[in-house]
Amino acid sequence: GQNIDQPTEMTATEGAIVQINCTYQTSGFNGLFWYQQHAGEAPTFLSYNVLDGLEEKGRFSSFLSRSKGYSYLLLKELQMKDSASYLCAVTPGGATNKLIFGTGTLLAVQP
Amino acid sequence: DAGVTQSPTHLIKTRGQHVTLRCSPISGHKSVSWYQQVLGQGPQFIFQYYEKEERGRGNFPDRFSARQFPNYSSELNVNALLLGDSALYLCASSVRLATYEQYFGPGTRLTVT
Repeated sequence: GQNIDQPTEMTATEGAIVQINCTYQTSGFNGLFWYQQHAGEAPTFLSYNVLDGLEEKGRFSSFLSRSKGYSYLLLKELQMKDSASYLCAVTPGGATNKLIFGTGTLLAVQP
Repeated sequence: DAGVTQSPTHLIKTRGQHVTLRCSPISGHKSVSWYQQVLGQGPQFIFQYYEKEERGRGNFPDRFSARQFPNYSSELNVNALLLGDSALYLCASSVRLATYEQYFGPGTRLTVT
């Protein structure tokens, strides 16, 4: 089966750091994605990990451990505009790039 | 460059009706995928098309169908609409079938009453 778990909601304070965890169990693995989605809008790409380790891109970092089926998204220097849903997704690979999404983590950034 | 475009933006239909949603991929992209996102959930994969052929299908009933045209645009058709079909329908395009970079359109919000 395919299963991706992430917390439903999180709250953090402006200027702080927040870590959003994701665990996955899929029949194949060819990469893990993090997307940001504001209410009523399309998901926008944040990061892609296919090898173990940390990928850093500005205020956003993403970590992957394939042996543990675990990833996290780290957001630093939180801003109010970071309030959104954060979606963890896995591409099982094979002949397509279809994505299997988790339910998303709704992050609320408070002043 | 224009991104992925979808039409219409919003749509209200009645149970039992049929609906057609449209998607135009980014220029040069030959693969289009469709996803359904019910409120409060992550997107669920419906179909992937590449070079006008179906290359992947998710766990959706036969009421859902799609096609891709020679210009790589795509249509998603849903017959005999149910209340549970109310969702945001997202289209994503990529250059090739297995390219990891894919770009989402703004979606079509379908409400079934």
